[in-house]
Amino acid sequence: QVTLRESGPALVKPTQTLTLTCTFSGFSVSTSGVSVSWIRQPPGKALEWLARNDWDDDKYYSTSLRTRLTISKDTSKNQVVLVMTDMQPVDTATYYCARIFCSNGCRVDFWGQGKLVTVSS
Amino acid sequence: QSVLTQPPSASETPGQRVTISCSGSGSNIGSNSVSWYQQFPGVAPKLLIYSTDKRPSGVPDRFSGSKSGTSASLAIRGLQSEDEADYYCAAWDDSVNGPVFGGGTRLTVL
Repeated sequence: QVTLRESGPALVKPTQTLTLTCTFSGFSVSTSGVSVSWIRQPPGKALEWLARNDWDDDKYYSTSLRTRLTISKDTSKNQVVLVMTDMQPVDTATYYCARIFCSNGCRVDFWGQGKLVTVSS
Repeated sequence: QSVLTQPPSASETPGQRVTISCSGSGSNIGSNSVSWYQQFPGVAPKLLIYSTDKRPSGVPDRFSGSKSGTSASLAIRGLQSEDEADYYCAAWDDSVNGPVFGGGTRLTVL
């Protein structure tokens, strides 16, 4: 049974750095075709992919946010961490950790419950 | 502004069929498969369709997906009240090496 769970602060101040941790179970992030991604959703708005860490440790980032994002994985702890710098009120969103599986195309097949992060002074 | 384009809303009466469209470009829908997600208020999205037309175990066969060129569609037949939700399309985009999403369609069952 695949599960993912996000943890981190619910409130950050403008210009601060956000660190979110995804703890997962039921799969290995070292399995070919598997990656863990971060996806966010501002209140009432659409989903936006942020970053992914592949099974072979390749990392990819959203073009518009790449200068602010760092993703990393700790295979031994079954965790993936996202660091986002210079947080601003527009970054207020629910941040989802999700598994992407690629076989005959790629899809987000499992999602965490989401972590609402509010950016406010 | 989302990379993929969906109508913001759709509505139909119970028992009827509704389709939701999703328009993209050559770097995403035109060259990769499409997935669809169902999201209820306050909860995470759920995978509904993958590889353009495949259903994960547990998804009713009332839901179906298709693609033509740079556009895709989700069809729901025999509409039920519990289908009232937000629906998002997504496709891998070769130019970003990641998934791009549509803006979402809110489905209302009248």
